[in-house]
Amino acid sequence: ETGVTQTPRHLVMGMTNKKSLKCEQHLGHNAMYWYKQSAKKPLELMFVYNFKEQTENNSVPSRFSPECPNSSHLFLHLHTLQPEDSALYLCASSAMTRTNYGYTFGSGTRLTVV
Amino acid sequence: RKEVEQDPGPFNVPEGATVAFNCTYSNSASQSFFWYRQDCRKEPKLLMSVYSSGNEDGRFTAQLNRASQYISLLIRDSKLSDSATYLCVVDGGSQGNLIFGKGTKLSVKP
Repeated sequence: ETGVTQTPRHLVMGMTNKKSLKCEQHLGHNAMYWYKQSAKKPLELMFVYNFKEQTENNSVPSRFSPECPNSSHLFLHLHTLQPEDSALYLCASSAMTRTNYGYTFGSGTRLTVV
Repeated sequence: RKEVEQDPGPFNVPEGATVAFNCTYSNSASQSFFWYRQDCRKEPKLLMSVYSSGNEDGRFTAQLNRASQYISLLIRDSKLSDSATYLCVVDGGSQGNLIFGKGTKLSVKP
């Protein structure tokens, strides 16, 4: 495996379900990110982890709960979501949070909340 | 003022055309600048970094004007495969996290 891999690619969940999104990077990077992309909106930064410590929570509702057990893995735990949470959730990584080299993105999880 | 602002398009151009995208950013402390490309229903991918002196990569030329807080991307001799959404990306100053524009959609027609 190379780059940044996300699973699952697609997820349909009910508002009372609990599910988790998984992200793994094989690039030796130290920073990982969760972004949300909704239709007709720019990518919205949700969480930042640097050396597995959370350094930013961008006012994300508590129904989204991130977990970063090590620098290579990042999870997003979901519970009691709303239909408006339906979006593409993208994981990214970078060598460090301040970077001249940009971020590498995973292919995303397309989430539909019904 | 939005942090990163782009013309949403769409830009519909014939093959072989030259097309230019513009972007403005609000944080004067930003230090890193990028253009990303995003194909339909795919993840964004880094197209090129943007340097103060301007830089070129084949048919693509990026320019940065720090005084005006303005970034541009020029695509020469457009190909059908250039059809995508182009995202202007700027770091958020002290925290460094990247901030994305909404993107400009390009459609290259035969």
